[in-house]
Amino acid sequence: SSELTQDPAVSVALGQTVRITCQGDSLRSYYASWYQQKPGQAPVLVIYGKNNRPSGIPDRFSGSSSGNTASLTITGAQAEDEADYYCNSRDSSGNSWVFGGGTKLTVL
Amino acid sequence: EVQLVESGGGLVQPGGSLRLSCAASGFTVSSNYMSWVRQAPGKGLEWVSVIYSGGSTYYADSVKGRFTISRDNSKNTLYLQMNSLRAEDTAVYYCARIGTYYYDSSGYSDAFDIWGQGTMVTVSS
Repeated sequence: SSELTQDPAVSVALGQTVRITCQGDSLRSYYASWYQQKPGQAPVLVIYGKNNRPSGIPDRFSGSSSGNTASLTITGAQAEDEADYYCNSRDSSGNSWVFGGGTKLTVL
Repeated sequence: EVQLVESGGGLVQPGGSLRLSCAASGFTVSSNYMSWVRQAPGKGLEWVSVIYSGGSTYYADSVKGRFTISRDNSKNTLYLQMNSLRAEDTAVYYCARIGTYYYDSSGYSDAFDIWGQGTMVTVSS
C-alpha cells in the first residue's frame, strides 16, 4: 500500500509563513486533502483539490502540489493555527485511503 | 445542521466484539461515501473502512476479515462491527463523510468533509 510522508514537527514565528509538506507516490495521481486537528478535537478539513478551502476556512491557508509532493502553506500564521496537520489521499489502488503521519505545528 | 454522532465505544477484552454506530443528520448516509477513521492514543490518523453509496465496501489490511462496515438506510446510520479485537485496535474511532470532490486534468481528490466527535474503544484485559 502507499504511504504519505510528513515532517513530524514544524515551527513558525507568529505572523510568518510556514509550509508543511507531504510526499507519496499516490500524489502523482490524486490531490492531497489537508486536515487540522487540535487536542481533543476531531479533524477539520482545511484544503482539498488543487487549492480549495471549505467554507469558513481562512484564506491564509492554501495548497499546492508538484509531482509526488503536496504542500500546505499558512501565510501569516496565527496562534490559533497551532495544531496537528494531516495530509491524505486515495491509495494507488483507488479503493482505500491513506493519511500522512501528521505534522505538529508550533506557533512561536 | 449537518452532523455525525458516534456511539458504542467502551472497554472490551482481547478477542471480544463491539459495534460502533454513527448517526447522521442533515444529509443522507446512503447517498454518500461513508468511512471510519481511527486514531490510537498519541498517534496519527489511520483509515479503516469505507462503504460506497452503491454498497461496495473496502477495508484497511489491518482490519480486513475482522471488521464489517454497514449502514441502515431507514435509520440514516453507519455501523462498524468489530470482531476478534486486539490491543492494537485501541483508538478513538471517527466516522466521516467523504463528500467533497475535486477533479481536473491533473488529478482528483475526495475529502473527508464531515467528522463525528469520535468514540473511544479500549481493548484490554
